[in-house]
Amino acid sequence: QVTLKESGPALVKPTQTLTLTCSISGFSLSTSGVRVSWIRQAPGKALEWLGRIDWDEDTFYSTSLKTRLTISKDTSGNQVVLRMTNMDPVDTATYYCARELRTGVAFYGMDVWGQGTTVTVSS
Amino acid sequence: QTVVTQEPSLTVSPGETVTLTCASTTGPVTSGSYPNWLQQRPAQAPRALIYSTYSKHSWTPARFSGSLLGGKATLTLSGVQPEDEADYYCLLYSRDGVVFGGGTKLTVL
Repeated sequence: QVTLKESGPALVKPTQTLTLTCSISGFSLSTSGVRVSWIRQAPGKALEWLGRIDWDEDTFYSTSLKTRLTISKDTSGNQVVLRMTNMDPVDTATYYCARELRTGVAFYGMDVWGQGTTVTVSS
Repeated sequence: QTVVTQEPSLTVSPGETVTLTCASTTGPVTSGSYPNWLQQRPAQAPRALIYSTYSKHSWTPARFSGSLLGGKATLTLSGVQPEDEADYYCLLYSRDGVVFGGGTKLTVL
C-alpha cells in the first residue's frame, strides 16, 4: 500500500525556518519515474504547488517561492524533507506531500496524497 | 506566469450531469499539460480522480470522466451523488511547474 505522511511543527515563529518531513512507504523514491511534490493550502484557499524532488534528485520549485525553499531526500530514500526559510503569517497553511509517477507509457500525476500537516506561523 | 481558472461554484441536483472546466491564461489546454482533477471533501486531503486528461485511477467512480473541449480541460460527473459534494481542483503541468486552478465548489441540492 502506497502511503505518505507529513510531520513537523504545528507552530513556528515569524522569520524562523520551517522543516517538514514526508515519510513514504509502499514505493521507493529511488525508482525511475517517481517524484514527490509538496503542496500547501492556506485556510479557505486553493492548493498551491511548492516544488518537487525526482528519483534522480533533480529538484524543481515554484517560481514565487524558490528563493526560500529546499527539498531533499534522506539517504534511505524513505523521507523527503521540505525546508522553507523566513516564515511569515501568510505561510500559515496545511502542507501536503504527494507522489507523482511517470512510467514509460503513462504519467499518473499526483496519484497519492498524504493527510497533510497544519502549520501556523505566529509569534 | 500561468493562471488556471475554474468556475468558483456550481450547484446540481442528485442524478443530474454537471461539467466543470479548467482554462489556462497562456492558451488552450492540451494533452501536453497532462490535466489532472482532484476531489477534496471538507476537512480531508485531496484525492486524485483523473490524470492525463481522461485517464481514471483504479478508485475513481465510473461516473467521473475527463476530456478536452473548446480549449479547456473538463470534468464531467454523470448522475451526481450526494457524496460528490466537494471542492474540485484541476492542475496543469507547465513551464512554471505545476499550477492548480482556484477550485470549484460543487453543491449537491
